Amino acid sequence: KAGVTQTPRYLIKTRGQQVTLSCSPISGHRSVSWYQQTPGQGLQFLFEYFSETQRNKGNFPGRFSGRQFSNSRSEMNVSTLELGDSALYLCASSMTLAGEYEQYFGPGTRLTVT
Amino acid sequence: SQQGEEDPQALSIQEGENATMNCSYKTSINNLQWYRQNSGRGLVHLILIRSNEREKHSGRLRVTLDTSKKSSSLLITASRAADTASYFCATDAYSGAGSYQLTFGKGTKLSVIP
Repeated sequence: KAGVTQTPRYLIKTRGQQVTLSCSPISGHRSVSWYQQTPGQGLQFLFEYFSETQRNKGNFPGRFSGRQFSNSRSEMNVSTLELGDSALYLCASSMTLAGEYEQYFGPGTRLTVT
Repeated sequence: SQQGEEDPQALSIQEGENATMNCSYKTSINNLQWYRQNSGRGLVHLILIRSNEREKHSGRLRVTLDTSKKSSSLLITASRAADTASYFCATDAYSGAGSYQLTFGKGTKLSVIP
């Protein structure tokens, strides 16, 4: 089985721009979760999508949004980028709701905001 | 906020020695998971232990769970240089509407010296 893929792997954006990151889960997985990882805050949960519905949302501003398509692929969008949004964004998929079973992580997208 | 907190934050051992990492959490859980992350990459699932289990083994890994103390430990026996990585515990916390949110600790950075 192919693993979780994330595109792009690296991204450099300017403050004020917006960005869209993509995640393709493992075939058959219906849950996709997104996390932001920074040296200071560690791994922080952004949101989880299950069968195209947002099931959970972390404590992030409304500039962070996401969606899931019928094929379970997911995108997250960050609008009006700030310097503090520089981070490794990780996507993870699981068979059912996150927390019930192990999650499989993609390699991440390294976002740098200048 | 972090549900799980790993201890120690960093650990340095010689190859062949055992490494023990601890995780404490605050609220009741359904299960606890351990993940490994090599520098700047995605996380790899190691082991999941459910709240009604006390101990679980997987190869050189041994995980214990004490729900009365709200703590877990990960033991890596006969460590190898390739075990050098950051290790995270993750707990599921009820977030309402029948959903659970996976929350990660800040991790233990393990260095295995050849």
